[in-house]
Amino acid sequence: DIQMTQSPSSLSASVGDRVTITCRASQSIISYLNWYQQKPGKAPKLLIYAASNLQSGVPSRFSGSGSGTDFTLAISSLQAEDFATYYCQQSDSAPLTFGGGTKVEIK
Amino acid sequence: EVQLVESGGGLVQPGGSLRLSCAASEVTFSSYWMSWVRQAPGKGLEWVANIKQDGSEKYYVDSVKGRFSISIDNAKNALYLQMNSLRGEDTAVYYCASAPGWEQLYWGQGTLVTVSS
Repeated sequence: DIQMTQSPSSLSASVGDRVTITCRASQSIISYLNWYQQKPGKAPKLLIYAASNLQSGVPSRFSGSGSGTDFTLAISSLQAEDFATYYCQQSDSAPLTFGGGTKVEIK
Repeated sequence: EVQLVESGGGLVQPGGSLRLSCAASEVTFSSYWMSWVRQAPGKGLEWVANIKQDGSEKYYVDSVKGRFSISIDNAKNALYLQMNSLRGEDTAVYYCASAPGWEQLYWGQGTLVTVSS
């Protein structure tokens, strides 16, 4: 199974900050990497698919990059509504696997 | 707007069985993959299983193989998860999800399964 390692597990940031979250796969997943945002008590929301494709309706301050084993989610200017937990997921091969999550908190 | 609505969760004793259902809007079933994803209380997301829209391909996470079975009824626009030999570690909110590929684009609101004596 492909292991997904996210870092950091949590971070504190202020509104307007640039935030980056990294995700590393235990083997190459080409670009089969997705990013999700989850708020407490809610279902996850797909932000980025295939490493760098912004899902329709997602603000352009979110961006994804990377290929192979190393990937990054960036938020260019953090907004109040962005405080949430973010997960990466590989969809290269079954079983699909998620990273452990990164909780973005208000500084 | 694609809508997914899960049902069937509840309290079950260890070793027991439960069948989850997911009702989907027709457009979801026309060409999408359907998945189950779970989240234990206070924990991260865990993909459980997925199925191709025609039912010809199914995949499972190792921890549920032989105990859980995913199925689809296109006539009823319904997805199911039959869960047998349930364990405490299966306690979670179970989400139904769908997408054209193996990502999870549309999500239901989730249904809570609690395995406890």
